[in-house]
Amino acid sequence: SQTIHQWPATLVQPVGSPLSLECTVEGTSNPNLYWYRQAAGRGLQLLFYSVGIGQISSEVPQNLSASRPQDRQFILSSKKLLLSDSGFYLCAWSTGGVPYEQYFGPGTRLTVT
Amino acid sequence: KQEVTQIPAALSVPEGENLVLNCSFTDSAIYNLQWFRQDPGKGLTSLLLIQSSQREQTSGRLNASLDKSSGRSTLYIAASQPGDSATYLCAVRPGDNFNKFYFGSGTKLNVKP
Repeated sequence: SQTIHQWPATLVQPVGSPLSLECTVEGTSNPNLYWYRQAAGRGLQLLFYSVGIGQISSEVPQNLSASRPQDRQFILSSKKLLLSDSGFYLCAWSTGGVPYEQYFGPGTRLTVT
Repeated sequence: KQEVTQIPAALSVPEGENLVLNCSFTDSAIYNLQWFRQDPGKGLTSLLLIQSSQREQTSGRLNASLDKSSGRSTLYIAASQPGDSATYLCAVRPGDNFNKFYFGSGTKLNVKP
């Protein structure tokens, strides 16, 4: 069966510090990968998606970036965090074909102080 | 742009009651619709996926229906239990971009013992 991991589970970082969040998927190959952010009391916002190694699409202009160095690894980064980057970051994967069902990881709670 | 609305934002019911959660979307050109459950501080758990050609899907005490032409979906929960307490989100995948998901803000359900 497929499993998706995210780490760290929680993170407290000062403004201006760098960020690296990691997501890995097990039990499937060539998944489509996604990064979402969920701000308090708000819906999910799609940040990035990737359909293959090195292929990244950005949905929202911001100071975040994403990379996919391996088939089942997706990394969310920032060079300098802002207070507004605080939130709950969720990684997800789906198959590249029917039925396109999406599965989520456990999330990372980021607090920028 | 697709907009997804979930009403009510919160719902409190006594244990054993049957209930319906609503999801509406503005653009009927969807590929599929997915219902999720989110417990506090956790990731999203997929409950049901309905393809655009389907009218309903069932899993245990859950039944999801889809009326694509009117832009509506409902999630029916039978014989609710305190363990059903969570936030329920719906998400639609547009027919012209299989890598985007549009989420509603969710309905927070509290089932009282």
